[in-house]
Amino acid sequence: GNSVTQMEGPVTLSEEAFLTINCTYTATGYPSLFWYVQYPGEGLQLLLKATKADDKGSNKGFEATYRKETTSFHLEKGSVQVSDSAVYFCALSGDMRFGAGTRLTVKP
Amino acid sequence: EAGVAQSPRYKIIEKRQSVAFWCNPISGHATLYWYQQILGQGPKLLIQFQNNGVVDDSQLPKDRFSAERLKGVDSTLKIQPAKLEDSAVYLCASSLDWRGTGPGEQYFGPGTRLTVT
Repeated sequence: GNSVTQMEGPVTLSEEAFLTINCTYTATGYPSLFWYVQYPGEGLQLLLKATKADDKGSNKGFEATYRKETTSFHLEKGSVQVSDSAVYFCALSGDMRFGAGTRLTVKP
Repeated sequence: EAGVAQSPRYKIIEKRQSVAFWCNPISGHATLYWYQQILGQGPKLLIQFQNNGVVDDSQLPKDRFSAERLKGVDSTLKIQPAKLEDSAVYLCASSLDWRGTGPGEQYFGPGTRLTVT
């Protein structure tokens, strides 16, 4: 069956540091891939998505590229801010599998 | 545009009791999902409806969990009887159609936090 493996957290960075959160998947067919974010006290919301191989999703300075050859969808941001502190979930379409989540804390 | 509404926000019950959660999706969204999120884990899909028909309930523990979506709008998820391991946040989400606004894009409600003692 489909599955998502996500980098374990928690991750603690200083403001303006570079962020990478790894995500790999196994799936049949050609799923769409997503990153969802959950800010403290708020519900899950879509951060970005990619619908086919080599697509790059981007939003709020975050980027992720759909790599079919490595079955990966790593999340990156060049310079994190305190306001990026949240839990990030990688997910794939179809039966909507989510990763376990990675908690990011950014310190000033 | 109003978001996905859920109630109650919090519920505490004793094991073996029953509980029900309610969800009102975004107007016009045909697909509705119920997820269980245990502390420290990602959401796990319990059931997916398209309009009032069940698309996927393969991970729903049918001996104790049930869900319905009458008239293809609101939905209720019931647990009867509850066990300690059912303590979790129950999330409802909706999307515009089978694949959402773009494949699989979902809008989530705030969730119901259930504690079973």
